[in-house]
Order: sequence, then C-alpha cells, then structure tokens
Amino acid sequence: EVQLVESGGGLVKPGGSLRLSCAASAFNFNSYTMNWVRQPPGKGLEWVSSISSSSSHIYYADSVKGRFTISRDNAENSLYLQMSSLRAEDTAVYYCAKGGSILTGPASRYFDYWGQGALVTVSS
Amino acid sequence: EIVMTQSPVTLSVSPGERATLSCRASQSVSSNLAWYQQKPGQAPRLLIYGASTRATGIPARFSGSGSGTEFTLTISSLQSEDFAFYYCQQYNNRWTFGQGTKVEIK
Repeated sequence: EVQLVESGGGLVKPGGSLRLSCAASAFNFNSYTMNWVRQPPGKGLEWVSSISSSSSHIYYADSVKGRFTISRDNAENSLYLQMSSLRAEDTAVYYCAKGGSILTGPASRYFDYWGQGALVTVSS
Repeated sequence: EIVMTQSPVTLSVSPGERATLSCRASQSVSSNLAWYQQKPGQAPRLLIYGASTRATGIPARFSGSGSGTEFTLTISSLQSEDFAFYYCQQYNNRWTFGQGTKVEIK
C-alpha cells in the first residue's frame, strides 16, 4: 500500500526556516510527480509546490515563490520542502501528495495519495 | 490563476438523500478536474479525477460530471460516513482548489 509520511514540522519564529521531509514507499517514487499542499487551521486546501519525476520541472505558488524550495532524492524515495523567511500566514498542516499517473501532460496531474500531514506553526 | 468557486458553502442533507455539489472554474479547465473528500483530522482522499472517473475503491454512489467551467459531484444516497468536507481541484493549468463544501447532517 502506498505510504507517504511527513516529518520535520514544528514551531518556528517569524523569519525562521524549517525543512519538511516526506518518506515514500510502495510505489516507484522516481516515476511520479510529487507535490506539497497546505491547509491553515480551520481553512481550505492550498497548493504549494510540485516537482516532476526527474526534477526537471518545478512549480511554486506565488505565495511561497522565492522563500520555499522543493526538492527530491529518488535514491532515498524522499521529497523535501525547504521553507525560509517564514511568516505567520505560513502556519498550516503541510501535506505531501503523489501525482496520479506517470504520464506527462495536464490529465495526469491530480493527487491520488496523501500523507497525514505535518503541522508548521510560525509564531513568536 | 484559475479561480475555483464551490457552492453551496454548506449543504444540509438527511441520510439516504441525494447531495449535489457544484464547482465552477473562472476559465475552461477541460476535464482536468478532481474531487476530494476530507474528514476532520484526516488527509484529503481522492474521489473523482478527469471530472467523472471514480478513484480506486470509491463507491458507485459518488459520481462526477461536467467539463469546461461547470462541474458537479453527486452523492446518490448519503451514508453516515459521507458527512465531510468536499473540495474540487483544477489541474489543467497549475493547481487550484475550491474553498470547499461542508456536507452536514440535516
């Protein structure tokens, strides 16, 4: 069964940095686009960033561009999100999500499996 | 950015009744539209992709329709486990989610 396990969340001061990790198992990690989605407490879902299977294509939401960096290690079946210059509005549960298909093109870009999430709290 | 608008914000339905949720895109997303279910304290779960294809293990009472800018998720006969939040997502041009619809017990 596909498993995605996030780690690295916690409490950080405004302006600080944090690195999230997502450990993947039970699928060919190096064949799939991977994604980060966040959810502020009591609010809806917001797409954060996506990285293609070979890391050749990387995308960010405007709200995090220039502050967050997505990366992956296919040898370690791991996805990362380096977050810097953190703000109070970055407080959220951060989910790692697997792309739905190994095919390229928009039709494959839904998210079929999600981790349980890691809580990031930005507060002084 | 493509804006996704869901309606209603809250839907009150009795068990066994039909629920119809709507999602509108600010520009065409073709059929690149997914629906997710989320219960409190849990991660989202994929229900529908490609506007109308049920994901693995999703019961037949869930169905999706639409294309372009107008989409619908229908739950034909609500079960107790279906009371939750539902989000639509376009993935035609990057990714954006609707604000969600809460399906609650009437």
